[in-house]
Amino acid sequence: GAGVSQSPSNKVTEKGKDVELRCDPISGHTALYWYRQSLGQGLEFLIYFQGNSAPDKSGLPSDRFSAERTGGSVSTLTIQRTQQEDSAVYLCASGTSSGELFFGEGSRLTVL
Amino acid sequence: GQNIDQPTEMTATEGAIVQINCTYQTSGFNGLFWYQQHAGEAPTFLSYNVLDGLEEKGRFSSFLSRSKGYSYLLLKELQMKDSASYLCAVRDGSDYKLSFGAGTTVTVRA
Repeated sequence: GAGVSQSPSNKVTEKGKDVELRCDPISGHTALYWYRQSLGQGLEFLIYFQGNSAPDKSGLPSDRFSAERTGGSVSTLTIQRTQQEDSAVYLCASGTSSGELFFGEGSRLTVL
Repeated sequence: GQNIDQPTEMTATEGAIVQINCTYQTSGFNGLFWYQQHAGEAPTFLSYNVLDGLEEKGRFSSFLSRSKGYSYLLLKELQMKDSASYLCAVRDGSDYKLSFGAGTTVTVRA
């Protein structure tokens, strides 16, 4: 596709369940980021993939959060045993190492 | 790492000019970006500075001083549609990681 695609756009889950959020970056982009944004707040960095380098996981808030990027393309963010404080919009962005980032529309997660 | 500061909120009148300042402290620098984010939407790219000076793009201009760790985004001839959050972001010089400030919410009043 022409842009960054994220799915699902909305996810409502019960506390304690696991969720997977998917990101399809723009083809050829080596950089991929996951951010989290709560209502009215700024972007909270979660994880950064750059080419074949080891990902920067320094922003993951707990060991319940993990992410992988397969074949240098599609990425999946997994949240295990979800908690209510995990409710937020999860944004994925991709770009080249020297250029701007392009954001997806986000996945809105609501944990009941 | 990066430490990026920008004001939380600004209010201005339609047709006026607003300047949003951003200061940063970084262990390495490879460019500064400004993004615009309307409520409920994803951020979109506005401008990029890597060298000192002013970059002008229509009603929006962005300035950078690397020695001072300072940038500003200037919005001229404000329109109601400019009401949004403006995010300053700094790219690290070693791993190219982009870190964002908390954003400045600009409200344009008639």
